[in-house]
Amino acid sequence: QVQLQESGPGLVKPSETLSLTCAVSGYSISSDYYWGWIRQPPGKGLEWIGNIYHNDITHYNPSLKNRVTISVDTSKNQFSLKLTSVTAGDTAVYFCASRSSGWPFGDWGQGTLVTVSS
Amino acid sequence: DIQMTQSPSTLSASVGDRVTITCRASQSINNWLAWYQQKSGKAPKLLIYRASSLESGVPSRFSGSGSGTEFTLTISSLQPDDFATYYCQQYMNYQTFGQGTKVEI
Repeated sequence: QVQLQESGPGLVKPSETLSLTCAVSGYSISSDYYWGWIRQPPGKGLEWIGNIYHNDITHYNPSLKNRVTISVDTSKNQFSLKLTSVTAGDTAVYFCASRSSGWPFGDWGQGTLVTVSS
Repeated sequence: DIQMTQSPSTLSASVGDRVTITCRASQSINNWLAWYQQKSGKAPKLLIYRASSLESGVPSRFSGSGSGTEFTLTISSLQPDDFATYYCQQYMNYQTFGQGTKVEI
C-alpha cells in the first residue's frame, strides 16, 4: 500500500506562491501511478487540482491551470505542488493522493491546512 | 468539463435506515464513477469504484449502481459509524467531485 505525507508552510501571504511536498513510501514515484493533489476549503467540498504521471505528464484543473505546477523529485521519491498568486480563496486543506490508470484515488495523505493571510 | 451533481445535500436518518444518495453527471461517464466517505478532519476513504465495485474491506451494506449519467449509493442499514459526508467522483475525463451529501442523525 502506498503511504503519502504532505508537508509545507501552513501560512502563505496573499500574492505569494504556495508550495507543498508529498513524500511517498511503499512505492516508487517512477512507477505506473498517477500522483495527484486535491484541496478542500474549510467547510466545503473537494476540488481536484491536478495529476502527474510518468514523471512529467501533467493534467490540471482548467480553473487553476494558469497558476499550478506539479512536479516529481525521483531522488527523494516525492512530488510537489506549486500554486502561484494565491488569495484567501486558496485557503484549504490540501491532500495528496495516488491512483492507478483506470482507478480512482485509493490512497490519500492525511491533508495539510494552508491558510492564505497577511 | 464534466459536472457532478449530488442530491440531497443533507440527509437526516436513523440507525437501521436504508439510505440512498444520487449523483448525476453532465454527460455520460459510462461507469467511471467512485464514491468516497469522509469524516470530519480526515481524508476521504474510497468505498466504491467503477460505479458498483466494492473496495476491499468496505462493509457489504454499501452498494453502488448506475451507468451513463445517473448513479446511486445505497447504505442498506445505516450504522453509527456511517454518519459522515459522501462524495461521488467521475474519473473518465480528469476528475470531478460532487458537492457532497452529509448524512446526519
